[in-house]
Amino acid sequence: SQTIHQWPATLVQPVGSPLSLECTVEGTSNPNLYWYRQAAGRGLQLLFYSIGIDQISSEVPQNLSASRPQDRQFILSSKKLLLSDSGFYLCAWSRGSHTQYFGPGTRLTVL
Amino acid sequence: AQTVTQSQPEMSVQEAETVTLSCTYDTSESDYYLFWYKQPPSRQMILVIRQEAYKQQNATENRFSVNFQKAAKSFSLKISDSQLGDAAMYFCAYRSSIYNQGGKLIFGQGTELSVKP
Repeated sequence: SQTIHQWPATLVQPVGSPLSLECTVEGTSNPNLYWYRQAAGRGLQLLFYSIGIDQISSEVPQNLSASRPQDRQFILSSKKLLLSDSGFYLCAWSRGSHTQYFGPGTRLTVL
Repeated sequence: AQTVTQSQPEMSVQEAETVTLSCTYDTSESDYYLFWYKQPPSRQMILVIRQEAYKQQNATENRFSVNFQKAAKSFSLKISDSQLGDAAMYFCAYRSSIYNQGGKLIFGQGTELSVKP
């Protein structure tokens, strides 16, 4: 069966510090991968999606970036965090069935 | 661009009763997918049910069923025999079938469901 992992689970970072959130998927190959952000417990906003290694599309221009160094690894990064980057970050994967399955999420607080 | 609207920020239901959560969407596409996800306090998104637009039959998963009205662009979720564990935020989501859109989901703002014992 497939599983998706995210880490860290929680993170508190000062403004201006770098960020690296990691997402990995097990039990499948060549998945589509997604990063979403959820602010204030409401709707999810798609940040990036990837249909293959080094194939990444950005949905919202901002100070975040994404990379996919391996088939089942998706990384969300920032060189300098802003207060507005605080939120809950969810990674998801899909393949074939078109249904997206989500990881447990990372709660990021920028102080 | 497609949009998804959930007009009920909060809903409440008595345990063992039935509740219906509303969702409407806007699209010019004829083929797409619709989903309901549940987000409990742990905040992990859990798939509840999915519907393919080309299927006329409404999807059903145990106590969960949908009323899919394609012409009206409506996709409501019915929860029967509500249980305390059903308390959560529920999100309606749309997915285009167009390949170059990458399968991304467009979410509504959510409906927070509380279940009273």
